[in-house]
Amino acid sequence: EAQVTQNPRYLITVTGKKLTVTCSQNMNHEYMSWYRQDPGLGLRQIYYSMNVEVTDKGDVPEGYKVSRKEKRNFPLILESPSPNQTSLYFCASSYPGGARGDTQYFGPGTRLTVL
Amino acid sequence: SQQGEEDPQALSIQEGENATMNCSYKTSINNLQWYRQNSGRGLVHLILIRSNEREKHSGRLRVTLDTSKKSSSLLITASRAADTASYFCATDDYSGGGADGLTFGKGTHLIIQP
Repeated sequence: EAQVTQNPRYLITVTGKKLTVTCSQNMNHEYMSWYRQDPGLGLRQIYYSMNVEVTDKGDVPEGYKVSRKEKRNFPLILESPSPNQTSLYFCASSYPGGARGDTQYFGPGTRLTVL
Repeated sequence: SQQGEEDPQALSIQEGENATMNCSYKTSINNLQWYRQNSGRGLVHLILIRSNEREKHSGRLRVTLDTSKKSSSLLITASRAADTASYFCATDDYSGGGADGLTFGKGTHLIIQP
């Protein structure tokens, strides 16, 4: 089954404790992206990747890191989480060769709470 | 980056009625997409309409695009309880600046009452 998976689905952590949210897709998509969703603000892009070893900042990259060592995986790293990073996070991927404006497939989301 | 704006923010109708929601955007686009999100879950792609198209249908969904007004509408006919969800429009940024990918609006929350 074609899908985007994220882990963990729920995470409660404390300020400053490094964490990684994994994202994996099995559709051979080149483009992958991370979003955060907050009430009243909609979805905002954090980072995106056009292909392996190619990543770039989205609209709200501060406090986040990403890597793209393999085509299928695009982990989101919070080196020192803070309470303002409490949010619902989504990973998404697009068709091979697709990037700007193509249909995106979303993961189920990771609800992160930073105390 | 520019952002689509959905209207209304929330809509409650009776099952069987039609639901219409609108999206306005600011800059030129290649295409506009609509997504559905059930509470707390991932977004699901519904339909994509290109800038040279004016109307598109998919099952009970009808999408229109007016590039002169920079607006789109999503019509759901014969609504069902299962249509209760938030609906987002998303546009690409044809201006070439800013982040690559889609820019989402804040969504319309649709409630279908039985």
